[in-house]
Amino acid sequence: NAGVTQTPKFQVLKTGQSMTLQCAQDMNHNSMYWYRQDPGMGLRLIYYSASEGTTDKGEVPNGYNVSRLNKREFSLRLESAAPSQTSVYFCASSTVSGANVLTFGAGSRLTVL
Amino acid sequence: GENVEQHPSTLSVQEGDSAVIKCTYSDSASNYFPWYKQELGKGPQLIIDIRSNVGEKKDQRIAVTLNKTAKHFSLHITETQPEDSAVYFCAAKSPIKAAGNKLTFGGGTRVLVKP
Repeated sequence: NAGVTQTPKFQVLKTGQSMTLQCAQDMNHNSMYWYRQDPGMGLRLIYYSASEGTTDKGEVPNGYNVSRLNKREFSLRLESAAPSQTSVYFCASSTVSGANVLTFGAGSRLTVL
Repeated sequence: GENVEQHPSTLSVQEGDSAVIKCTYSDSASNYFPWYKQELGKGPQLIIDIRSNVGEKKDQRIAVTLNKTAKHFSLHITETQPEDSAVYFCAAKSPIKAAGNKLTFGGGTRVLVKP
């Protein structure tokens, strides 16, 4: 029972490089989310996908793009990484949009030099 | 929009003592208040939650209390054990906020239980 799987777990980028964080869930959840975690700031929503085929901006979407590839997979792309995007990124899913319980992945630690 | 403040940011307790984490929220329409625990190297996991029509909820050694008038809620951990060491996040859910699952998280509290 894998739950939510994120790859990679660690990544170091140089300013201006691009990369994609991958997320997959095997719980047949309809909704998926990308959060970033910074010290003292809790978890902030970057983008979410209420259902397959839809994506919407969260609180801090600038500098990111997402793709809901299918019901299982939701990727986060940094087109031109900046030091301000150094953070720990979490993917999460829920049964439906607005459902109370989120299931999180283990996180991806990204450092931008 | 909703704003959730969480205190303290770090908390060190002796094993067997109690730990209390407090959160305040700004949106009086918020009606659901979960607590997530994040162990080292893992993602946050829901440990307990409370709805606005309830004042207190307990689950073994953990309890949450909610004061809607004052707009604050607290997590209480009794008889702390080393495995309680983690980062704890409170959150508030507003039915009005437009984005995503409408959860706003607090800044987190790092709890260290000393043996």
